[in-house]
Amino acid sequence: DAGVIQSPRHEVTEMGQEVTLRCKPISGHNSLFWYRQTMMRGLELLIYFNNNVPIDDSGMPEDRFSAKMPNASFSTLKIQPSEPRDSAVYFCASTLGTGTVPYEQYFGPGTRLTVT
Amino acid sequence: AQSVTQLGSHVSVSEGALVLLRCNYSSSVPPYLFWYVQYPNQGLQLLLKYTSAATLVKGINDFEAEFKKSETSFHLTKPSAHMSDAAEYFCAVMGGRRALTFGSGTRLQVQP
Repeated sequence: DAGVIQSPRHEVTEMGQEVTLRCKPISGHNSLFWYRQTMMRGLELLIYFNNNVPIDDSGMPEDRFSAKMPNASFSTLKIQPSEPRDSAVYFCASTLGTGTVPYEQYFGPGTRLTVT
Repeated sequence: AQSVTQLGSHVSVSEGALVLLRCNYSSSVPPYLFWYVQYPNQGLQLLLKYTSAATLVKGINDFEAEFKKSETSFHLTKPSAHMSDAAEYFCAVMGGRRALTFGSGTRLQVQP
């Protein structure tokens, strides 16, 4: 398996523009997570899907952020409009598990977003 | 709510020396605990996990961690550091909804 795939790997955009980050989880995994990593706040969970349904979006910073998972093999994280403080590395992770069994989360390589 | 605290944002050791990275957790229920490693410009890779089966957990690359309930700790150790171990290490706890809460990370530097 190719692992979790994220695109693009790097994104530079101007303030006010729409940004869409993409993630393809590992085939067969039923949970998907979006994390953000910054120097100030470290690694923080943004949103979590289980079987394509958003379960916990309490980490989404504000309404400018939205995430979708239209099917088991694809998810997007959209920022509209983007702001300089959104600059960070965004990670997608997926896992296979039911209930609270702590299966390993597999992380993608991340998308480094820079908003100027 | 569950949380982890990593003591020491930077740790420097000599090659061949013992590596000790500290992690303390806070949890109202028996925790699931993880150590991840992040190499520069890469995603996170699991080193090991504690799932209540055994208190001493062995992971990849000779890393191990011991769960100590009395000390609410899950420190990561390696008997002999290698240059390739230089990276950032994250301790994490899994909540009820399976999302991970990460510590602030410890950057390990290995001196030749």
